[in-house]
Amino acid sequence: QSVLTQPPSVSGAPGRRVTISCTGSSSNIGAGYDLHWYQQLPGTAPKLLIYGHSNRPSGVPDRFSGSKSGTSASLAITGLQAEDEADYYCQSYDSSLSGLVFGGGTKLTVL
Amino acid sequence: EVQLVESGGGLVQPGGSLRLSCAASGFTFTSYEMNWVRQAPGKGLEWLSFISVSSGTIYYADSVAGRFTISRDNAKKSLYLQMNSLGAEDTAVYYCARGGGYYFMDVWGKGTTVTVYS
Repeated sequence: QSVLTQPPSVSGAPGRRVTISCTGSSSNIGAGYDLHWYQQLPGTAPKLLIYGHSNRPSGVPDRFSGSKSGTSASLAITGLQAEDEADYYCQSYDSSLSGLVFGGGTKLTVL
Repeated sequence: EVQLVESGGGLVQPGGSLRLSCAASGFTFTSYEMNWVRQAPGKGLEWLSFISVSSGTIYYADSVAGRFTISRDNAKKSLYLQMNSLGAEDTAVYYCARGGGYYFMDVWGKGTTVTVYS
């Protein structure tokens, strides 16, 4: 299993708010390493969505926000739109592995 | 336009080798760390390897350490991944990704597909 744990799936109706959790440990998020989020639309390459826990790259709507608490982090998406239907991955650095790690990914379904 | 273009994927038999390339354009290649990430069919993202600007710092995932070698040619603005002793578990789309600092990846290529078949 992945070093970072995400729920396999979440869903929400258009216009609603959903959150995706990412649980790590004392060797990654808990050690102070930044947590990042990626969005992967079907059939496309991943796209950076949030970096450094809560920062949005240029062009990412403010409907997407990130937060961190202890050894966990969350991605929140408000005002859900059909185009948000995608796979979402969290990612960090892990000191015990001396490498980058991804969560297993969460499939978001917009009902 | 900032762009990464992977090449070199294809069909290979178990035990074989392939060398992937990633051509960078639209940015100062010598200012950025680089990574390789792969995605097996129907599976999640798996980080494989990281290389610093000077190639002085290199990391590998345990799954590929000793079999894969990352390298870069800053003069050619290119990143490489030499893959040896390939097995069925290496079948995946391979992406190169630019390091954005603090170990995130801010620019991704479209990927190149590697299929290991017997």
